[in-house]
Order: sequence, then structure tokens, then C-alpha cells
Amino acid sequence: DTEVTQTPKHLVMGMTNKKSLKCEQHMGHRAMYWYKQKAKKPPELMFVYSYEKLSINESVPSRFSPECPNSSLLNLHLHALQPEDSALYLCASSQPRLAGGPGRETQYFGPGTRLLVL
Amino acid sequence: GQQLNQSPQSMFIQEGEDVSMNCTSSSIFNTWLWYKQDPGEGPVLLIALYKAGELTSNGRLTAQFGITRKDSFLNISASIPSDVGIYFCAGQRRYGGSQGNLIFGKGTKLSVKP
Repeated sequence: DTEVTQTPKHLVMGMTNKKSLKCEQHMGHRAMYWYKQKAKKPPELMFVYSYEKLSINESVPSRFSPECPNSSLLNLHLHALQPEDSALYLCASSQPRLAGGPGRETQYFGPGTRLLVL
Repeated sequence: GQQLNQSPQSMFIQEGEDVSMNCTSSSIFNTWLWYKQDPGEGPVLLIALYKAGELTSNGRLTAQFGITRKDSFLNISASIPSDVGIYFCAGQRRYGGSQGNLIFGKGTKLSVKP
């Protein structure tokens, strides 16, 4: 099973709203990722969690706040977004490689949440 | 951010035709991945390549990890209508014990010939 699920599938929000995107995987992966994808562009990395700790933040504005409550769940809290934040938000997971050890960090993506900010 | 050179940007296919696309980089990668993305959906992993020179098939799809570790190609044989979509290559490096971030190509859009 290589399934990553995301909810909701679609989300419309105003610039003053607070909402959250959710991601879940049950593959036992200990690395989880948030990406943002604009139309006709490749995904852009936003955040990486490794063993439930934030390991990479790609200079993302603070109006995006990630959270990893446990090894299976990843949330992205949204507050005071701008219309240019409208995009497809993708979650992915992989098994992180232990230092010096073998392992393939192949990332599996969820179906995404289509976000529209009005 | 950094991107791979993926070509062609777009192509039209007729059912039954073979299709070829490739990615090149100025630096080496330890892993090459090929994903397909349908409109409004997330990328789906097609093939993962882990060794230089590796040639791997998945049904009608064949991909190779270039011997220099700076390129990869994907071939689709006998294309069918459901092959339309956007194909992304992605390279991945290793930095010590940390996970490697994916570097994506800009994508190849496959459409059906009018």
C-alpha cells in the first residue's frame, strides 16, 4: 500500500479565515513533506518533517504553519492567506535514510488539496 | 529553486506511437524518479531508478538511469489515450545522513493529436 490521503480535496477561503489541510499515511514512513504547486509548474517544496521534527522550512511565510502530531499525520494550518497562495497543496511521505545506512527515500504523493483564496 | 532540463516540454501522441522524453542535469544524482500527474491530482510514481546504468520497466514504460548520473530517459511504447498527462522527472541526492530533496524537471505534457 503506497497511499497518502489528503483532506479536503477542495477548499475556498477568504483572506481572514483560518483553515487546516490534513494529510495521513499508514506506510510507516517517518518523513513527510508539504509542497505547493501552481498550474503548469512542478511542485515546490515547503516543509519537511523527519521523525516528527521540522527539518526543512524553505523560507515559507508564517501564514503557513505546519504541524506533525504523530508519525502518520501532517497538518498545514492556514491563516491570513493571500490570493496568490491559491494553488494545489501536495503532501508526500518517504522512509528517511538513517545515517550511514541503506534506504530509499522515494516520495509518494497524495492527491492534493486544491486551495482558492478569495 | 534549481530545476532539471526536461524535454520535450510538450508533445502530441497518436494511439500506438512510441514516446520518448528525457532529463539532464549539470550535476549528478543518486536517484532518478519519474512521476505522472493528471489534472487536479497528485503525482503518481511510475518508475524509480537507484543505480547508474539501471534500466527498469513498468509495463509499457521503460526508464534508464544514465551512466554519468546526470541524465535519465523515459520511454512509453504503444501509447494509449490514458497516457495523456504531465510527466515529471525528479532527481535526488544524498547529503550525509539527511534525506535528499527532490529536484523536479519542468514537465513534459502529453496530449492527443487532433
